[in-house]
Amino acid sequence: KQEVTQIPAALSVPEGENLVLNCSFTDSAIYNLQWFRQDPGKGLTSLLLIQSSQREQTSGRLNASLDKSSGRSTLYIAASQPGDSATYLCAVPTAGQAGTALIFGKGTTLSVSS
Amino acid sequence: DGGITQSPKYLFRKEGQNVTLSCEQNLNHDAMYWYRQDPGQGLRLIYYSQIVNDFQKGDIAEGYSVSREKKESFPLTVTSAQKNPTAFYLCASSAPGLPYEQYFGPGTRLTVT
Repeated sequence: KQEVTQIPAALSVPEGENLVLNCSFTDSAIYNLQWFRQDPGKGLTSLLLIQSSQREQTSGRLNASLDKSSGRSTLYIAASQPGDSATYLCAVPTAGQAGTALIFGKGTTLSVSS
Repeated sequence: DGGITQSPKYLFRKEGQNVTLSCEQNLNHDAMYWYRQDPGQGLRLIYYSQIVNDFQKGDIAEGYSVSREKKESFPLTVTSAQKNPTAFYLCASSAPGLPYEQYFGPGTRLTVT
C-alpha cells in the first residue's frame, strides 16, 4: 500500500533563507505528484503538479523535483518570506492511477520569521 | 469565477444528530472527493465519485453517506453512527485527462458535542 512521508514535520527559518521540503513515497509507480499549501483553517491550494515523465516544475520562487526511482520529491523555496508560513503537503494518486483519490503526507509546517 | 464552494464554514451539532455538508463545483469536473483532516493524521479519503450516480467508499467511509445526483454537487452526510465526527472536512474535484490535478474547496469545520 502506498505511503507518503514528509520530513521534517516542522521547520522554522529566518526571512530570506532558501529551504527544501522533502516528500518520499513507497510505491514508485505513480502517475504524478502534487504539492499543496494549506493556511490554518483553510482549504488546500495547489502549488505544483509534476507528472511522472517530468523531473521538475517551477512556479515563481518554488521549484519541485521528482525522482521516481528513489521515491522522492523535494520542494525548494527560494528567498523565503513571512507570507510563506503555512503547512505544505505532498500527495500522489492511489494505486498509481491518475484521476483517482490522493494519498497525502502529514505535511511540513513552515514558519518564516521576519 | 470557477471553483469549489463548501458550506457552511463552521457547523455545530449535538451528538446523535445527522448533518449534511454541502459541496458544489462549477469547474465542470467529473470526479469529486471528500476527505477528512484531523490534527497529526493528515487527510484521509471518505468517499469519491468519478461520475454522476456512482460513488465509491474510501478508507474511512463508516458512518458517512453521499449522493451524486448532479455533476456539480456532492453532499456528504455525517450520520450518528460516526463515532468521532469532529474534524475538518475538505471537498475536492478533478477533471478527466491530463494532468489530473485536484482542486480543493475551503473546507467545513464540524464540531459535535
